[in-house]
Amino acid sequence: QVQLQESGPGLVKPSETLSLTCTVSGDSMTIFYWTWIRQPPGKGLEWIGHIYGSGSTNYSPSLRSRATISIDTSKNQFSLKLNSVTAADTGVYYCARGRLWFGEWSQGTLVTVSS
Amino acid sequence: QSALTQPPSASGSPGQSVTISCTGTSSDVGGYNYVSWYQQHPGRAPKLVIYEVSERPSGVPDRFSGSKSGNTASLTVSGLQADDEADYFCSSYAGGNNVIFGGGTKLTVL
Repeated sequence: QVQLQESGPGLVKPSETLSLTCTVSGDSMTIFYWTWIRQPPGKGLEWIGHIYGSGSTNYSPSLRSRATISIDTSKNQFSLKLNSVTAADTGVYYCARGRLWFGEWSQGTLVTVSS
Repeated sequence: QSALTQPPSASGSPGQSVTISCTGTSSDVGGYNYVSWYQQHPGRAPKLVIYEVSERPSGVPDRFSGSKSGNTASLTVSGLQADDEADYFCSSYAGGNNVIFGGGTKLTVL
């Protein structure tokens, strides 16, 4: 059974870059899509983007200019970088497996943007 | 792309059925059979309960069912149980390799 665990700083300063890594265990990364999703406090879910095992990516139109997703299959990890963050980027960030629906999720990590 | 529209709240008594709607457009819900539903308990990660409009993942009780008509998808929870009290989010493929979510519905079991 696949398991996902994200890691990264819980506090990021405004205008800096948010960086998170998701480590995958229990399955090969090369034949699946891997996705980042976030949830502002008390609000709904927002799809950020995904990456295929080959490295091809797609991003939400609203975040495309600031988000970068990369993958390292040798380490069983994929990562998210979101630059020029503001308070509006505060929320719980999840990594998940899937492209059109998401059957496996990480537990989520709270990232707060504050000086 | 706007978020899909869900009612903020829904409720029902134990044993009853409740239906939650998810309204989009012909560019997302109405255009593709890729609607999914997620259950989220407080402080927990979302859990997939329906995919491809009406398919249930292994382990999800058949009390959960999904359907779609035009630009509106629906999730029905039958035989309500206390543990069904949670937030429910819908999601749809929106073309161009994009996915959008609904704003969520808080289901209360009275």
